[in-house]
Amino acid sequence: RKEVEQDPGPFNVPEGATVAFNCTYSNSASQSFFWYRQDCRKEPKLLMSVYSSGNEDGRFTAQLNRASQYISLLIRDSKLSDSATYLCVGDPTGGGNKLTFGTGTQLKVEL
Amino acid sequence: EPEVTQTPSHQVTQMGQEVILRCVPISNHLYFYWYRQILGQKVEFLVSFYNNEISEKSEIFDDQFSVERPDGSNFTLKIRSTKLEDSAMYFCASGPATNEKLFFGSGTQLSVL
Repeated sequence: RKEVEQDPGPFNVPEGATVAFNCTYSNSASQSFFWYRQDCRKEPKLLMSVYSSGNEDGRFTAQLNRASQYISLLIRDSKLSDSATYLCVGDPTGGGNKLTFGTGTQLKVEL
Repeated sequence: EPEVTQTPSHQVTQMGQEVILRCVPISNHLYFYWYRQILGQKVEFLVSFYNNEISEKSEIFDDQFSVERPDGSNFTLKIRSTKLEDSAMYFCASGPATNEKLFFGSGTQLSVL
């Protein structure tokens, strides 16, 4: 089983839509989780950290469910500029020393 | 915002040749990393480096790979004898401490012919 697993998509949504991505992880000992954004052939950029209590940053909400071992990302009022690949990332050691990336979910926001 | 700088942006080499990928991490950062991404695949951890030594490495990081911080500012990844399957985008990253945000460079696209 992959350490971090995501639906590759693509998710094609109209501008203004709400879209949700899920990610599952296999290592129950993983301490920290993140959502990164990656534009085509560019470096990953941290979008937000994910906490059990939920984490909201503007139009973005991330949630961690440790019992079910899944992480979610909700994007509200999606913009054209949100089009990218969203990477679910785990940190098995909790020390930020060795991130484990999912393959990513591609989002295309259309007019 | 300070950034991690990588050079070159593209590197083409012949199979069996040695390559050195260069990175200048953010100046006050203490933790340095190399990741790679084969086209169409996920980003994979290669190695982490702290206090002038490797702190962790993955199975990918075999004897053909080495890292060095030669002069206090640069952080390099050397591949001694490149293989076709080493073709990938190589990302350098740095962080001020563990559990802190990582800053990624824009990557070096390595093509082994």
